[in-house]
Amino acid sequence: ETGVTQTPRHLVMGMTNKKSLKCEQHLGHNAMYWYKQSAKKPLELMFVYNFKEQTENNSVPSRFSPECPNSSHLFLHLHTLQPEDSALYLCASSQEILAGGLEQYFGPGTRLTVT
Amino acid sequence: AQKVTQAQTEISVVEKEDVTLDCVYETRDTTYYLFWYKQPPSGELVFLIRRNSFDEQNEISGRYSWNFQKSTSSFNFTITASQVVDSAVYFCALSGLMDSNYQLIWGAGTKLIIKP
Repeated sequence: ETGVTQTPRHLVMGMTNKKSLKCEQHLGHNAMYWYKQSAKKPLELMFVYNFKEQTENNSVPSRFSPECPNSSHLFLHLHTLQPEDSALYLCASSQEILAGGLEQYFGPGTRLTVT
Repeated sequence: AQKVTQAQTEISVVEKEDVTLDCVYETRDTTYYLFWYKQPPSGELVFLIRRNSFDEQNEISGRYSWNFQKSTSSFNFTITASQVVDSAVYFCALSGLMDSNYQLIWGAGTKLIIKP
């Protein structure tokens, strides 16, 4: 595997389900990100981890719960979602965040549909 | 506050035409970075270029070229002799210290359609 991988690629879940999205990066990076991409909206940054520590939580509802067990893996745990949470969820990584201005590398995303 | 504007929502051209995607930004930072990403239908955002605010040299990479002008706060992207495979959504993004702590501020994207 190379780059950034995400599983599953597609997910349909009911509002009472609990599911998790997985992201893995094979680039040796130390920072990882979760983004939400909804139709006709700019990308929304949800969470940022740097060296496994969460550095940003952009007012994301608690029904989204991130987990970063190591610098290569990032999870997004989902529970009691709403239909408006349906979107493409993108994971990204970069060398780190402290230096600023470093390019981020993205996975293919998970297309989430909440019914 | 930092902001990125991509005024062109959608552009459609015939293959082999040249096309320019506009990006205008606002920032209070004196040091900042500008990016372009490509998002093909598969969904994965692909990094194309990064430019820092002190480097105003234009860049060319094959059929792609970028024109950075601080005087007009613009970082435009031109594809020469477009091809069908260039069809995608293109995003411009800005990263600076103030207001965003170096998080990427994204434009809304321009959907580029290249017709055969």
